[in-house]
Amino acid sequence: QSALTQPASVSGSPGQSITISCTGTSSDIGAYNSVSWYQQHPGRAPKFMIYGVTNRPSGVSNRFSGSKSGNTASLTISGLQAEDEADYYCSSKRGSTNYVFGTGTKVTVL
Amino acid sequence: QVQLVQSGAEVKNPGASVKVSCKASGFPLITYYMHWVRQAPGQGLEWMALINPNGVSTAYAEKFQGRITVTRDASTSMFYMELRTLRFEDTALYYCAREGRDGSIWGYLDYWGQGTLVTVSS
Repeated sequence: QSALTQPASVSGSPGQSITISCTGTSSDIGAYNSVSWYQQHPGRAPKFMIYGVTNRPSGVSNRFSGSKSGNTASLTISGLQAEDEADYYCSSKRGSTNYVFGTGTKVTVL
Repeated sequence: QVQLVQSGAEVKNPGASVKVSCKASGFPLITYYMHWVRQAPGQGLEWMALINPNGVSTAYAEKFQGRITVTRDASTSMFYMELRTLRFEDTALYYCAREGRDGSIWGYLDYWGQGTLVTVSS
């Protein structure tokens, strides 16, 4: 079973907006509204940033937003800041009981 | 507050088994699914398994079927993940994580343990 597909790296200058894509299939992203996004800084456990495709947990900046179209989900970071430099992973429910993560994207703030 | 505290690092020989524990506190265990996720050195996150709130039903990623068992001991608020027939490529940081619930929205991991490093080495 293969992982969801993300770009290996995305970069942007402070203040810019970037978008990370997450491509799956009709058995995962296309079938469920259970897409979530996680931020991971080096040596730290992942932190959830978006859940249910578009929802942002309390405490997460409104600069982070999520969306989905067909089999592809996206995470947009607006007003990029130095602290946003991290690895980002998408995740989706797959099939009736399982889950799958994306391949991960390294975000670099130039 | 919600806390997930995992057991310490392990070093195992190829072919051996490892059992990682996760102590949960700050929330009712009978309400939440619990997941196990691993991350090999320098690699991405990999979903492994889940156990349902009543501790009876489980689901496993296909690649681990037959080698993994996840269990729960409600009396001690402990979750366990046992991986058998270890291979060098099982060297990774293993996380337990709670699946969050927000009304009808689920399927996201809102709290994570600190991770347990399992090293498979001869």
